[in-house]
Amino acid sequence: DVKVTQSSRYLVKRTGEKVFLECVQDMDHENMFWYRQDPGLGLRLIYFSYDVKMKEKGDIPEGYSVSREKKERFSLILESASTNQTSMYLCASSFWGLGSGNTIYFGEGSWLTVV
Amino acid sequence: ELKVEQNPLFLSMQEGKNYTIYCNYSTTSDRLYWYRQDPGKSLESLFVLLSNGAVKQEGRLMASLDTKARLSTLHITAAVHDLSATYFCAVDGSGSRLTFGEGTQLTVNP
Repeated sequence: DVKVTQSSRYLVKRTGEKVFLECVQDMDHENMFWYRQDPGLGLRLIYFSYDVKMKEKGDIPEGYSVSREKKERFSLILESASTNQTSMYLCASSFWGLGSGNTIYFGEGSWLTVV
Repeated sequence: ELKVEQNPLFLSMQEGKNYTIYCNYSTTSDRLYWYRQDPGKSLESLFVLLSNGAVKQEGRLMASLDTKARLSTLHITAAVHDLSATYFCAVDGSGSRLTFGEGTQLTVNP
């Protein structure tokens, strides 16, 4: 079974703190994604990466950065956390091409509260 | 910009009844995905629809895709309580980037 592991399930951070959310996948997937999920808004793509050291902005990249130094690991960084970044963050991964029936696999989610 | 809209957003139904969730999207795509999310949990893949006219069924759920109408449906047959969850559709706009709908929160009452 595909496993996407997010190391921190629940975090409480103070405004202005630097926050790291870590994600590891064990299926040798090329693509990795970070989404945030908010009630009524569905999932919104923050950043994605299709290869080591490669990254692309998603729909809402402001206030976030990412790092992908190894194929299996994709980190989301909040340089200076703000209260409007309180949300659930979902990491996901997939093979490069979705056309042949591949899907995106999600981690369990990280609930971040910024106070 | 690709937009994906689901309706209804909230659905309360009785056990044994049938209902359909609709997913409309704004630009051409022939890849559509359905996911299920239980409260506090992650998203679980239900269906991958890859072409016009694709139909897939699993248990009491059946999904279909009409790429010309830019519409997918998720049909629930004889609902049971275990189907209570939030259902998301997602469309592959380009480069394996999925755009998600807002989600449909389904509650099945005894």
